[in-house]
Parts: sequence; structure tokens; C-alpha cells
Amino acid sequence: QQKVQQSPESLIVPEGAMTSLNCTFSDSASQYFAWYRQHSGKAPKALMSIFSNGEKEEGRFTIHLNKASLHFSLHIRDSQPSDSALYLCAVSQGGRALIFGTGTTVSVSP
Amino acid sequence: EAAVTQSPRNKVAVTGGKVTLSCNQTNNHNNMYWYRQDTGHGLRLIHYSYGAGSTEKGDIPDGYKASRPSQENFSLILELATPSQTSVYFCASGDVYEQYFGPGTRLTVL
Repeated sequence: QQKVQQSPESLIVPEGAMTSLNCTFSDSASQYFAWYRQHSGKAPKALMSIFSNGEKEEGRFTIHLNKASLHFSLHIRDSQPSDSALYLCAVSQGGRALIFGTGTTVSVSP
Repeated sequence: EAAVTQSPRNKVAVTGGKVTLSCNQTNNHNNMYWYRQDTGHGLRLIHYSYGAGSTEKGDIPDGYKASRPSQENFSLILELATPSQTSVYFCASGDVYEQYFGPGTRLTVL
């Protein structure tokens, strides 16, 4: 069964700094890679996603995928206190369902 | 935006009792999902459905049943609740590429 793991478990970053989150997966046949963000006490919400190797940038957020390394990452430029949340990576193979990682808790200190 | 609602939002149940968690979506999505979220485990898929009348087992189906009587409604049923089922339960609709989550139900089994 696909295993999806995230690192680090938690981190604290100063406001304005870069936040980098990592996600590894075990099945090289995986086809879709996404990040969800969940603010405390709220529902998870899709943040951004990627299908093919490379980078994708949307505003302050960049997702990078390297299928050969079974790794993708999320980078948040100019981190803001509103970015404080639980970040969940998710992987899909064949469109059945998403497999989520265990999450990284990000705290951005003003 | 997709609207997914869950009821109840909070539930305290006794061990051995029957619990039904309800989910409703108003966006005519074919697929619906039930997850549970526990610290250190991220989101884990319990059951999902491709449409009215269909239910499929997810990654952790033991101890849970699901029912999809209509396009809009998807229920999760715990016939004999146990303390290990204490968790936050999320319903989602959409597809593997875009899932919309409900606000969650916090279930405590005493």
C-alpha cells in the first residue's frame, strides 16, 4: 500500500522567511500530487497540485515534484502569520482516492 | 464553492452504542468520502462512494459501515462504537483532483 510521509512534523518560521515542507511517497506509479492546508479547527482545503515533474508557482507558493526521487515539496515565500496551519500532502494513483501524509504543523511568528 | 455540511458537529457516545454521522453536499458531485483525522496519522480514508447506492471500502473500514441513499447524502455508521473510534471525522465530495471537505464531526466514545 502506498506510504506517504511528511517532514518535518512541525516547524516555526519568522515572518517574512521561506517555509519549506517535504513529502515522500512510495509508489512510482503515482500520478497526482497535492497540498492541502488546514487552519486550526477548520476543514482541510486544497492549496495547489501538480501532475508532472518540475515546478509550479502560484503567488507565494511553489510546488516542486521529482518523481524519480519519490519526493515533492511546498515552498512558501514571505511567510505570513496567516500561513500558520497544518499542511497535508496527498498523492493519488489511478484516480481511486487520495492518500494523505501525516501533516506538518507550521507556525509563523510575527 | 462546493458546500458540504455534516451533522452532528459534536457527539458523545457510549461504548457499544450505535452512532450515525451524516453528510450532505449540494454540488451534485458523484464521489463522496469519509475520513478520520487523528494526531500523527493525518487523514485516513474509511469509506467512499461513486454515486447513489454504491459504497467502497477505504484503507481503514473495520468497525464502520457506510450508506449512500442519494446523490446528496452519505452516512457513516458505527454499529458498536469503541473508544478507539474517538476522532474527528471529515466528509468530502468531489473527485481525486479536487475534494471539498465538510467542517468535521468530533466524536468521543466513552
